[in-house]
Amino acid sequence: DAKTTQPTSMDCAEGRAANLPCNHSTISGNEYVYWYRQIHSQGPQYIIHGLKNNETNEMASLIITEDRKSSTLILPHATLRDTAVYYCIVRVVSFGNEKLTFGTGTRLTIIP
Amino acid sequence: DAGVIQSPRHEVTEMGQEVTLRCKPISGHNSLFWYRQTMMRGLELLIYFNNNVPIDDSGMPEDRFSAKMPNASFSTLKIQPSEPRDSAVYFCASREGEGTYEQYFGPGTRLTVT
Repeated sequence: DAKTTQPTSMDCAEGRAANLPCNHSTISGNEYVYWYRQIHSQGPQYIIHGLKNNETNEMASLIITEDRKSSTLILPHATLRDTAVYYCIVRVVSFGNEKLTFGTGTRLTIIP
Repeated sequence: DAGVIQSPRHEVTEMGQEVTLRCKPISGHNSLFWYRQTMMRGLELLIYFNNNVPIDDSGMPEDRFSAKMPNASFSTLKIQPSEPRDSAVYFCASREGEGTYEQYFGPGTRLTVT
């Protein structure tokens, strides 16, 4: 799986868009970009994933650069409940190869 | 849906005792994962099952750890004998199956070995 690099921590004002970057310069063509988050004392929660195209769901948007070497997770209107550690994971998806490797992630703090 | 269910939520035991952690995956999910989280090592995969069959147990620390999945709705992670360094939060997660991507995590079991 390709290595990812994320900032250790970020702050964002409540109500503003939170933009979390992730570098994955060694990503290969068949590797997906996943985002999970972990709110304090809870299990990780899936947010979104993508391969090439930008993706949007009810939680967030995922913007992947054209060369796929980096991506940005966008929380459009951050609330205090979005305070969590956010993990960017890059991996191939195949049945029998299910392993997710969580790095240290970005600790996002939403400021009132 | 109740989500992934884990029990107990908290476990405190003495060194040398046997510990059994339990997990009920989401109904209909074909894959089940056991993770361990500590401050020092972060979140690491211990073992996972597809259709009740263990696929990758390379993350299991040593022979003191064992995991079983006797049927599609139940799995156990056993530590025998337990040691203080096993203290951690243990998460169980399940995934619907081939062609899907997201893993759904349970609330975790906080294990303290004294």
